[in-house]
Amino acid sequence: KNQVEQSPQSLIILEGKNCTLQCNYTVSPFSNLRWYKQDTGRGPVSLTIMTFSENTKSNGRYTATLDADTKQSSLHITASQLSDSASYICVVSDRTVSSTDKLIFGTGTRLQVFP
Amino acid sequence: DGGITQSPKYLFRKEGQNVTLSCEQNLNHDAMYWYRQDPGQGLRLIYYSQIVNDFQKGDIAEGYSVSREKKESFPLTVTSAQKNPTAFYLCASSIADSSNQPQHFGDGTRLSIL
Repeated sequence: KNQVEQSPQSLIILEGKNCTLQCNYTVSPFSNLRWYKQDTGRGPVSLTIMTFSENTKSNGRYTATLDADTKQSSLHITASQLSDSASYICVVSDRTVSSTDKLIFGTGTRLQVFP
Repeated sequence: DGGITQSPKYLFRKEGQNVTLSCEQNLNHDAMYWYRQDPGQGLRLIYYSQIVNDFQKGDIAEGYSVSREKKESFPLTVTSAQKNPTAFYLCASSIADSSNQPQHFGDGTRLSIL
């Protein structure tokens, strides 16, 4: 069964600190891996998308890495800000459905940044 | 500003009642999607549409129906056959061939049972 597992389930850090969120997946065949940020009560917002040939991609203070061999990805947040408090969702695309990505969503990591 | 608008933000349903959730986009995207989000679970696909007048069932379509009469609109009806409708419903859109392109999400509708 195709799965996406994220860890930790929740994380608390102080403002200004760095943190790393993990994502392991068993999806095959693999098309791409996405990280989304979801504020409470809002829809997810795309942070990065990586294909199997990419091993790192940045979006401001967010840097995602991908190891397609071990099927692991991480999202590193640098110099955290209070506005980073949100859920971060790892999403893996399964391309068995032609022309439309079938997205498999992780359950997310809930990050809280305190002053 | 281009984006996806979902309404209402909160919705209450009585037993045996059908309710319709609205989703409108002005991004000129061909593909639209409905997801359901429950606590502790990843988003699950209800229905998707790649083009006007065509839509496909997702993983949890039972108790739901959709229509796609216009490119901009993809309403979701939660029927009385859906026995556990309490959830956060998210609509998304993307270009037709969405490989390596993000899905853009609305801000959701929270449905509760009275």
